[in-house]
Parts: sequence; C-alpha cells; structure tokens
Amino acid sequence: EVQLVESGGGLVQPGRSLKLSCVASGFTFSNYGMNWIRQAPGKGLEWVAYISSGSSYIYYAETVKGRFTISRDNAKNTLYLQMTSLRSEDTALYYCARYLQRVMDAWGQGASVTVSS
Amino acid sequence: DIQMTQSPASLSASLEEIVTITCQASQDIGNWLAWYQQKPGKSPQLLIYGATSLADGVPSRFSGSRSGTQYSLKISRLQVEDPGIYYCLQGYSAPYTFGAGTKLELK
Repeated sequence: EVQLVESGGGLVQPGRSLKLSCVASGFTFSNYGMNWIRQAPGKGLEWVAYISSGSSYIYYAETVKGRFTISRDNAKNTLYLQMTSLRSEDTALYYCARYLQRVMDAWGQGASVTVSS
Repeated sequence: DIQMTQSPASLSASLEEIVTITCQASQDIGNWLAWYQQKPGKSPQLLIYGATSLADGVPSRFSGSRSGTQYSLKISRLQVEDPGIYYCLQGYSAPYTFGAGTKLELK
C-alpha cells in the first residue's frame, strides 16, 4: 500500500523558517517524481513545487520561488520542503504527492503550517 | 502560465441525477488533465487521469471527456457518497494548475 506521511508542521512567526518532511513507503520512491501542494484554510489547492526522481528537474510556483526549497533523499525515502521567510499567506495544509503520468496519484494526509505572530 | 477555469463553483443535485462539471484550459494541454474529489478533512482522491481514464477503484458512474480545450467530469447517477469538492488539474506543464473547485451538494 502506498503511504505518504508528512511531518514538521507547526506554528511559526513571520520571517522564520520551517522544514517539512514526507516519508514514503509501499513503492520504490526513487522511481517517482514528487510534489508539494498546499491548501489554505477554506481555499482550493495550490501546487507549490516539483522534484524529479533523481533531483535533476525542480520547479516552483512563483509565490514561493526563492523562499522554498524542495529536495529529497532517496536512500531515506524522504521528500523535504525547506521554507524560509515565511509569510502569513503561507498558512496552509501542505500535502506531499506522488507524480505519475503527469498526475498526482497518491497524497499524504497533510502537515499544517500556521504563520502568525 | 496555464489557467484552468472550472464551472460551476457550486451545484446542488438529487440522488440518481446526472452531474457535469467542466474545466476550460487557457491553451492546449492535450489529455494531461486529471480530476480529484476531496471530502471534508480528507486529502484529494484521484478520479480521472489522462482526461478520460478511470483511476483504480473509482466507480464507473464517474467518467471524463474532452472537447478541444474543454474537459468534463460526469457523474452518471449521483450517489449519497458523492458530495464533496471536485478539482481539475493540468499536468501538461509547470506551474501545474488546479481549477478553483466545484462544491457538490445533495439536494
């Protein structure tokens, strides 16, 4: 069974940093691209970042470019999102999702990030 | 960036009714279109990929179609477990973009 488990969320002050993790199991993690998608409270889905299976290709949404960094450790079956210079508008539930045939076919349960003073 | 215009924003339908939700892409995305269902407090679940292919375990009352740059999700006979928010996603090119969502309720 494919499982994605996010962690690392929490309450953080504006301007500070936070690092999310997503541990994958039930599939060969190193064979798949991965994404981070977020959902602000009561809002729709917003794609945040993508990383290819071997980390050769990385893309970001304009809203996070230069502040967030996606990375992965295939030996640890883990995806990361380093978030810096956090803003109130970054408050959201952050999902990691597996990428297969240009769709996000499996999602985690999400990690909650609240940016507030 | 590719814009996905989803409609309607909300709809209310009766059991066994046919429901259709559409997404209009701002440019050609081929068949790189997916549909998701999200229920309260849950992560999105993949329904349709490749514009028309049913994801594993999804009931056959769900179907997807394409006409040019317009994509549709059809629920042939609405069931009690189908209310939720439905999103389309274009996977053609980054930045990947979702439609704004359609909130489906039972009448």
